[in-house]
Amino acid sequence: AQSVAQPEDQVNVAEGNPLTVKCTYSVSGNPYLFWYVQYPNRGLQFLLKYITGDNLVKGSYGFEAEFNKSQTSFHLKKPSALVSDSALYFCAVKKNYGQNFVFGPGTRLSVLP
Amino acid sequence: NAGVMQNPRHLVRRRGQEARLRCSPMKGHSHVYWYRQLPEEGLKFMVYLQKENIIDESGMPKERFSAEFPKEGPSILRIQQVVRGDSAAYFCASSPEGWTDPSEQYFGPGTRLTVT
Repeated sequence: AQSVAQPEDQVNVAEGNPLTVKCTYSVSGNPYLFWYVQYPNRGLQFLLKYITGDNLVKGSYGFEAEFNKSQTSFHLKKPSALVSDSALYFCAVKKNYGQNFVFGPGTRLSVLP
Repeated sequence: NAGVMQNPRHLVRRRGQEARLRCSPMKGHSHVYWYRQLPEEGLKFMVYLQKENIIDESGMPKERFSAEFPKEGPSILRIQQVVRGDSAAYFCASSPEGWTDPSEQYFGPGTRLTVT
């Protein structure tokens, strides 16, 4: 069965510092991996995805993520955090067939001014 | 092009009442997905529908929950005889027919159900 783990409930980082939000996954076959962001009282917004190709993928708002097959990880990164990045971040995996996602429990990112 | 619309945004029901949650997909989208987000948890897939058909309901509780997506009108998630444990945010997502890019699943703002 597919599963996604986000080992940190909360990540705090100072504005201007680099940030990392961790994600590991378990899926048979080739995974499709995603990051979504959720602002308060809003739906999820797509940030970036890994389907195939380069292990480092770049997405919206300066975020990027690195796919590591041997470690089954897909950590989200940003070189310089902004206060406005404070939100709930979800990692998700989808099999390369079928239509539904499996989401991680989410990591709350707080960027402190 | 309006995004995915959900209403109501907030719904309060007493135990034993029925809750009806509506989702209007993006224009041109014929696939709808419902997810539930319990407090402090990630989204859990519930059901996937195309117009007039349920494609995958593997995430739906066996009792009290049902979903439909009629030929005309919004998709409806119906919860009968609600209990406190049904309190959650329910998100709808839609995607176009024949989509191949998995990122083309657009989420609505959610309906927050509170059962008192």
